[in-house]
Amino acid sequence: QLVLTQSPSASASLGASVKLTCTLSSGHSTYAIAWHQQQAAKGPRFLMRLNSDGSHNKGDGIPERFSVSRSGADRYLTISSLQSEDEGDYYCQTWGTGIHWVFGGGTKLTVL
Amino acid sequence: QVQLQESGPGLVKPSETLSLTCTVSGGSVSISNYYWNWIRQAPGKGLEWIGYIYDDGATNYNPSLKSRVTIWMDTSKNQFSLRLRSVTAADTATYYCARETAVVTNWGQGTLVTV
Repeated sequence: QLVLTQSPSASASLGASVKLTCTLSSGHSTYAIAWHQQQAAKGPRFLMRLNSDGSHNKGDGIPERFSVSRSGADRYLTISSLQSEDEGDYYCQTWGTGIHWVFGGGTKLTVL
Repeated sequence: QVQLQESGPGLVKPSETLSLTCTVSGGSVSISNYYWNWIRQAPGKGLEWIGYIYDDGATNYNPSLKSRVTIWMDTSKNQFSLRLRSVTAADTATYYCARETAVVTNWGQGTLVTV
């Protein structure tokens, strides 16, 4: 079964960097994923897509501070030079067969 | 830049039908190879994909909702719509529409529906 696992919470200081992890379930380690940001009381915003070949596509207006990488079944979203507006929930999402979009449970990022 | 805007009643009674429309501006719903999705988020919970309609009219629904969901497109109005039948309190959520291309996704701002 295709499952994305994210830590429920993360925190980092203003100006620092943070690396959020999304882990694909066994047998799905080559899948592409997308990252979405949801600030408080707002709708989700597409950040980036990390493709199966390692290439990536960024959403319009997404700062260079946001980057993606991968290692095995893990997919990472790194945010550098953290700003207060980066606080919110971050969801990873992949593409399944029966279910077109499968979401992780989300990571709540707190900027200290 | 494409923009999506959800609209519809904010309150639906149990056992009735929820109907929402997503109006697309800055782009056509008829463009090839785009998926037009509906997603929802119950209060305080994560995101749940409901279904999509593809540019050729093909649809795909979440198996957990498939028996109650219909998505269709009105190209003359540049809109696509969601119908969810026999709603219960568990269907209370913010409903989002989203356009998916091969490289990016564009989200609407969402609309809260309370059952």
